[in-house]
Amino acid sequence: GAVVSQHPSRVICKSGTSVKIECRSLDFQATTMFWYRQFPKKSLMLMATSNEGSKATYEQGVEKDKFLINHASLTLSTLTVTSAHPEDSSFYICSASGQGRWNEQFFGPGTRLTVL
Amino acid sequence: DAKTTQPNSMESNEEEPVHLPCNHSTISGTDYIHWYRQLPSQGPEYVIHGLTSNVNNRMASLAIAEDRKSSTLILHRATLRDAAVYYCIPSGPGNEKLTFGTGTRLTIIP
Repeated sequence: GAVVSQHPSRVICKSGTSVKIECRSLDFQATTMFWYRQFPKKSLMLMATSNEGSKATYEQGVEKDKFLINHASLTLSTLTVTSAHPEDSSFYICSASGQGRWNEQFFGPGTRLTVL
Repeated sequence: DAKTTQPNSMESNEEEPVHLPCNHSTISGTDYIHWYRQLPSQGPEYVIHGLTSNVNNRMASLAIAEDRKSSTLILHRATLRDAAVYYCIPSGPGNEKLTFGTGTRLTIIP
């Protein structure tokens, strides 16, 4: 299957700083990428959907100015958590689709963000 | 999005078959039934999907009820590596979004 990577896998930052998480499709062109957030013992919650070259579509309740998403190429999307606070600590997971088949999503391994 | 109901948790002995049920009574006629699983501290991975007919792949089998209101994921011979949270997700063509429910946490007993 297709491979999606995320970097970094784990990040610890101070409150008030910004953190950028990269999501790359390694062996296919991802026309659409998705960003999810997962709190401990909870399910994945979709944050936003991004298509290459266009603005991301955010789910209700997700602040677009706080969670900046850029999908500048068919293999790279970035999520920037701006002015991070402890409540933003979570497991962030990206996925990508675009293999030309049905809407199968290929997920990255996730990034664990801890805000002190 | 169609609502799904899955058991919160299930246990199975290693090397035994496992049947994971999912009710999706509000599924639309064009929705596929997708199954993903999430191993601890990892992103989800695709398991199998189907529309009407039963489906088999190297990971599992998917049995879909004739009225499509329920489906069962079958792991033919569970191993310890199959311990994960399994999600059943109806999703239609043209709708790329996957809405994850609470899933079933499968524990494999050695």
